Amino acid sequence: KNEVEQSPQNLTAQEGEFITINCSYSVGISALHWLQQHPGGGIVSLFMLSSGKKKHGRLIATINIQEKHSSLHITASHPRDSAVYICAVLSPGNYGQNFVFGPGTRLSVLP
Amino acid sequence: NAGVTQTPKFQVLKTGQSMTLQCAQDMNHEYMSWYRQDPGMGLRLIHYSVGAGITDQGEVPNGYNVSRSTTEDFPLRLLSAAPSQTSVYFCASSWGGRGNTIYFGEGSWLTVV
Repeated sequence: KNEVEQSPQNLTAQEGEFITINCSYSVGISALHWLQQHPGGGIVSLFMLSSGKKKHGRLIATINIQEKHSSLHITASHPRDSAVYICAVLSPGNYGQNFVFGPGTRLSVLP
Repeated sequence: NAGVTQTPKFQVLKTGQSMTLQCAQDMNHEYMSWYRQDPGMGLRLIHYSVGAGITDQGEVPNGYNVSRSTTEDFPLRLLSAAPSQTSVYFCASSWGGRGNTIYFGEGSWLTVV
């Protein structure tokens, strides 16, 4: 069983729709990151969470430590949001970069 | 501010050849690491470094070598390329610690024929 799972694998939405991407993990963690990978390949960090909820513009990320689950929401989606979204977890006591990554969710937003 | 710079972006190697992927960061980050990304799989850690002179193996270290002689540079060496090493490679850096943003390079597409 993979330590980090994401759903859905692929998602197609119409511009303006509300989008949710889910991440479940089976190990204890100290932090969870959401990353965005654009078609050109570059990866950027969107959020780091250890509890609760964070919001940046149209993006909202939540985490439930007890349920080992995190969600990434995109409000009023736009074609420029089309990318692969990756969940990455860091285990407790690991202060380096030994992340375990999910397989990613490929999002396509159609105009 | 350049961030994390990887070179080359694309490379084709013949089986058995060796090469070095270069990675440099200008943010004075302690932590640097190399990942590979294969279709249908998440990023996997190859090697990482927690500071100059200190390196350690990740999940998939076989066939790769690293060194960290300076804070800025963290090259990844393929000793004798194999088709199984065809992948996209990403270098990343951060201050370390669970609360810090991780910065990725643009990726290096490597094909071994």
